[in-house]
Amino acid sequence: QVQLQESGPGLVEPSQTLSLTCTVSGGSIGNDDYYWTWIRQPPGKGLVWIGYIFYSGSTYSQSSLRSRLTMSVDASKNQVSLKLSSVTVADTAVYYCARIGRWEYEFDLWGRGTLVTVSS
Amino acid sequence: QSALTQPASVSGSPGQSITISCTGTSGDVGAYNFVSWYQHHPGKAPKLIICDVSSRPSGVSNRFSGSKSGNTASLAISGLQAEDEADYYCSSYATSSTWVFGGGTKVTVL
Repeated sequence: QVQLQESGPGLVEPSQTLSLTCTVSGGSIGNDDYYWTWIRQPPGKGLVWIGYIFYSGSTYSQSSLRSRLTMSVDASKNQVSLKLSSVTVADTAVYYCARIGRWEYEFDLWGRGTLVTVSS
Repeated sequence: QSALTQPASVSGSPGQSITISCTGTSGDVGAYNFVSWYQHHPGKAPKLIICDVSSRPSGVSNRFSGSKSGNTASLAISGLQAEDEADYYCSSYATSSTWVFGGGTKVTVL
């Protein structure tokens, strides 16, 4: 079955760029049935929707992060990526990759998440 | 704090029923019938258990049910089992084409 797995460095220094990858296995990312979404959870807090990307490369994101956020698709590797620039300690969180149907409003498949700590 | 308000914890004995509330605003829960619920066992991937307020995806136990009234959605778990001990999160589609989540509720089976 389709699985999602996030990967990336666990530690990022303040002011640097956080880079994460979500690898899709068991299915194709080049599928116009789904959006691929990023969600994060700061320690001790709730989930926060970051944004999504379509296989065509079109994106939409939370306004508060938009100026620092870049999302991309690499169909050849079946991966989506997230880059968040100028990070601060407030960006410390578990980052999840999730799938949402193109005509749906729920996240029907998630990865296990990866913890990113922003610290010097 | 989170956009949607959930109780931090709810507990119950095996076999009992519990309910988790999720309170939003007229711009999210109250505006759309697109409330979903997720079960999260730590270290595992969150799992969708309710979508569109009250629909259960294939394979989800019918012990889970969802409802909504005004700006508040609810998740009910009947016949509580040890395996139900987990964190539960609600989510709603919101204005400006975004999604909001609750802070999560820890369910403890006594």
